[in-house]
Amino acid sequence: ETGVTQTPRHLVMGMTNKKSLKCEQHLGHNAMYWYKQSAKKPLELMFVYSLEERVENNSVPSRFSPECPNSSHLFLHLHTLQPEDSALYLCASSPATRSYEQYFGPGTRLTVT
Amino acid sequence: GIQVEQSPPDLILQEGANSTLRCNFSDSVNNLQWFHQNPWGQLINLFYIPSGTKQNGRLSATTVATERYSLLYISSSQTTDSGVYFCAVERETSGSRLTFGEGTQLTVNP
Repeated sequence: ETGVTQTPRHLVMGMTNKKSLKCEQHLGHNAMYWYKQSAKKPLELMFVYSLEERVENNSVPSRFSPECPNSSHLFLHLHTLQPEDSALYLCASSPATRSYEQYFGPGTRLTVT
Repeated sequence: GIQVEQSPPDLILQEGANSTLRCNFSDSVNNLQWFHQNPWGQLINLFYIPSGTKQNGRLSATTVATERYSLLYISSSQTTDSGVYFCAVERETSGSRLTFGEGTQLTVNP
């Protein structure tokens, strides 16, 4: 599926680096999400945006900073990460929040060295 | 928060066999989705099924919301069915949060 795209697909960064993950949805949806999937664990919700407004922040450390400039684009800015932040980061979108099917991008596999 | 339990955690099948995966949840939900995660990490939508029964080819799913469980049936399994199957639910009172189960790792051998 190409409804939700993510770049880059793979990222290796040092603990002092700053990088950004990008997500774009082509489905005309109004809600976008960031999830984190660590090895051998279920997905954990990080952030929810509805019409470019953050509606949920699931106690995520401030070294992760989301940005939603419009309803089609979502970024996750990363700085001073820790090795335990290595994970698969997945973006999703849905027509609106609550009771709608969510569609996921292919993910960015992040390794922090 | 809501608890989501999937069983079995691991399942190994021979090609052509049928299987049933189960998802139990601890509270009323207004959204339930089944996903297949392929080896590259992509989550593929299988069903959006907060209640009732749906079928799509060799796959079907049933959710009994009043009894707080959902079942995913895979018939005539193929090697390409291998991967992790996740159930995810949205609690009626939790807004937009999808809570995922720990998944069932399915391996289909030729």
